[in-house]
Amino acid sequence: GAGVSQSPSNKVTEKGKDVELRCDPISGHTALYWYRQSLGQGLEFLIYFQGNSAPDKSGLPSDRFSAERTGGSVSTLTIQRTQQEDSAVYLCASSLNDPGSSPLHFGNGTRLTVT
Amino acid sequence: LAKTTQPISMDSYEGQEVNITCSHNNIATNDYITWYQQFPSQGPRFIIQGYKTKVTNEVASLFIPADRKSSTLSLPRVSLSDTAVYYCLVGDKTLTGGGNKLTFGTGTQLKVEL
Repeated sequence: GAGVSQSPSNKVTEKGKDVELRCDPISGHTALYWYRQSLGQGLEFLIYFQGNSAPDKSGLPSDRFSAERTGGSVSTLTIQRTQQEDSAVYLCASSLNDPGSSPLHFGNGTRLTVT
Repeated sequence: LAKTTQPISMDSYEGQEVNITCSHNNIATNDYITWYQQFPSQGPRFIIQGYKTKVTNEVASLFIPADRKSSTLSLPRVSLSDTAVYYCLVGDKTLTGGGNKLTFGTGTQLKVEL
């Protein structure tokens, strides 16, 4: 079956512009995560959605970052007024149930470059 | 908050067994231990998961002692294609307590040579 799909795969934008990154999780997966990975670094947690519960936004680095998940499926991560330090790979993952016991399935990410 | 500690890097040769140990002293009673593999330009991929004792699948084994404060991923007879970053992951409850943030550590860069 289809895995987690992210679009675009690459995005180059100018400093100060807004960008939207999209994630299509595996159908039926209730949990959805966004992570950020800078070059050569580990994964930095950004936000977590679980079903209809309020998302855990504790990892968002500033108020320029926001995310939503419509209808419990597709998610969009929005970065406003992008800065050069926002350049990174943004990874989305979903899991079937409780992510602590159900494996995460990752997309291949969106590589964001802010010039 | 749960935190994991792994070696930053390891080197091995083809055909050898590789053991990567992760410490997680603050693991909670309900937390599972999960290992992921990541190749360049790809998202992490699930390898194996366990709660206690030993788990084995077609690619790896996972050893977890009784106190669960550490775990060891064992890769039998590695090949060049096993060169990747390996992450150990335990639960990390959300602020609302309703789920797991699943915080990744820095991972272990495994390099396999001929």
